[in-house]
Amino acid sequence: QKEVEQNSGPLSVPEGAIASLNCTYSDRGSQSFFWYRQYSGKSPELIMSIYSNGDKEDGRFTAQLNKASQYVSLLIRDSQPSDSATYLCAVRGNTGFQKLVFGTGTRLLVSP
Amino acid sequence: EPEVTQTPSHQVTQMGQEVILRCVPISNHLYFYWYRQILGQKVEFLVSFYNNEISEKSEIFDDQFSVERPDGSNFTLKIRSTKLEDSAMYFCASHGTANTEAFFGQGTRLTVV
Repeated sequence: QKEVEQNSGPLSVPEGAIASLNCTYSDRGSQSFFWYRQYSGKSPELIMSIYSNGDKEDGRFTAQLNKASQYVSLLIRDSQPSDSATYLCAVRGNTGFQKLVFGTGTRLLVSP
Repeated sequence: EPEVTQTPSHQVTQMGQEVILRCVPISNHLYFYWYRQILGQKVEFLVSFYNNEISEKSEIFDDQFSVERPDGSNFTLKIRSTKLEDSAMYFCASHGTANTEAFFGQGTRLTVV
């Protein structure tokens, strides 16, 4: 059973702080990794994708991947109350199939 | 900006009835999916569709479920005889070439009563 694990939270940070969200995955052959943001009752919205080891930055967001440790993280700098949402880690395997396997998500609360 | 469109946004149906959920993927995309999310739970894969056929399906996607791409734009999920436990948000997603980012529609909230 291929699993993606996330701490469900909530993770509470003050406005302006850095929020750090973590995810581990069990399928060592996984190739593609994604972070989605989901507001309550809404659909997943793509935030970041990362495919190789290291860091990838996009605005206030940085995704980090360590395939040896089977670990992917998302840093949100200068957190804003509007960042309050559930952050979903999604992993795509190395077979020809392209489905995403999601974690349960981490709920982030940013207080003003 | 292109987006995945789903209709209806909310569907209420009686147990045992058939429902069809509709999706218009992004126009040049090749890979299509249905996922569902039961309230308070994780997003779960149902089925993937590529090159006009199912490429993978989950254990959830039993004989009560079917998918179709009846024309060049629509992608539908049919549930033949709905059960109470089918109540969930159903998301359609698509992406272009292999291993690229998948984009989700806004979802259909299915309520079976």
